[in-house]
Amino acid sequence: EIVMTQSPATLSVSPGERITLSCRASQSVRTNLAWYQQRPGQSPRLLIYSASTRAIGVPARFSGSGSGTEFTLAISSLQSEDFALYYCQEYNNWPPGTFGQGTQLDI
Amino acid sequence: EVHLEESGGGLVQPGGSLRLSCAASGFIFSSFEVNWVRQAPGKGLDWIAYINSDGSAIYYADSVKGRSTISRDNAKNSLSLQMHSLRADDTAVYYCATGGYYAPFDYWGQGTLVTVSA
Repeated sequence: EIVMTQSPATLSVSPGERITLSCRASQSVRTNLAWYQQRPGQSPRLLIYSASTRAIGVPARFSGSGSGTEFTLAISSLQSEDFALYYCQEYNNWPPGTFGQGTQLDI
Repeated sequence: EVHLEESGGGLVQPGGSLRLSCAASGFIFSSFEVNWVRQAPGKGLDWIAYINSDGSAIYYADSVKGRSTISRDNAKNSLSLQMHSLRADDTAVYYCATGGYYAPFDYWGQGTLVTVSA
């Protein structure tokens, strides 16, 4: 089973900053990688799929990149609503479509 | 607008059973693959079950295989998960989500909490 490792576990930043979150796969997942956002008390929301394609309704300040084993989610000019948990997930291997352990974005 | 609404969660004793349901609306349910994904308190996301659009293909995570049955009723736009022999480590919020099978989970319900405790 593929292991997805996200870093850092927690990131403390200020509104308006630009940040990048990392996700590493234990073996190549090509570009079959998604990013999800989970705000407190809410269900996950798909942000990015195919490593770099924004889902419907996702603001342009979110961008994804990478292929193979190294992936990045970038958020430019952080807004207050962006402080949340972020998960990556590979779906190149099914089942199970493994999730990373998450990165908490704190103010 | 795609809407998924889970129900059926609650407190159940170890070894007990529970049936979770997910009501779908706002899209052609019968055309979509659907899944159950769970999240233990303070933990990450774990996919546990998948069913394709017509119910002919089903997969389970090892953690629930043999103890769970996923099913769907396309006429009623509903998805179910029957769980048996529940254990403390089954305690989690259970989400239904569309997609899966070499694709991301694109729409999620709000989840239903299952607590397994004596």
